[in-house]
Amino acid sequence: KAGVTQTPRYLIKTRGQQVTLSCSPISGHRSVSWYQQTPGQGLQFLFEYFSETQRNKGNFPGRFSGRQFSNSRSEMNVSTLELGDSALYLCASSLVSRGSTDTQYFGPGTRLTVL
Amino acid sequence: QQQVKQSPQSLIVQKGGIPIINCAYENTAFDYFPWYQQFPGKGPALLIAIRPDVSEKKEGRFTISFNKSAKQFSLHIMDSQPGDSATYFCAGTGGSQGNLIFGKGTKLSVKP
Repeated sequence: KAGVTQTPRYLIKTRGQQVTLSCSPISGHRSVSWYQQTPGQGLQFLFEYFSETQRNKGNFPGRFSGRQFSNSRSEMNVSTLELGDSALYLCASSLVSRGSTDTQYFGPGTRLTVL
Repeated sequence: QQQVKQSPQSLIVQKGGIPIINCAYENTAFDYFPWYQQFPGKGPALLIAIRPDVSEKKEGRFTISFNKSAKQFSLHIMDSQPGDSATYFCAGTGGSQGNLIFGKGTKLSVKP
């Protein structure tokens, strides 16, 4: 079974631009979560989608948004990029939802660099 | 109340040694505690996980010890190998929390 895939793997943008990242979950998985990983803050939760609905949201500004499609694929968007948005963005999928019952499987991430 | 505190930040051991990574949590609603291993350029991969009704869980060379009253848990890696060199993250989740709350990570280096 194919793992979680994320595209693109690397991205370079300039301040003020916007960016869209894509995630394809493991086949059959319906929950997709997004995390931001930086050296200073570690792994921080952005949001979780299940059946095209946002189930949970972390403490990030409204510039960060996401959506999930009927095939469970998900995209996240960051508008008006800032230098501090440079990070590894990780997508994780799980069968249903709620980490206490489902293992979350991570993709390789998208490395975003904002210049 | 959401934090998971992880220590040490980095760890160097010789091959065959037993590195120990410690984590402490605050949220008593947490009921699932996974450990993830991350190699450079890769996403985190689940290593082993435990629930608070169990005091110890062992999978191969990896063992989690759990102390519910102290709200602490730790990862032991037996007979460590250079291939175990990676960053290890503990996490907690449960209750109304659907997402994982991660520790800051421990960078482990196993010297040959």
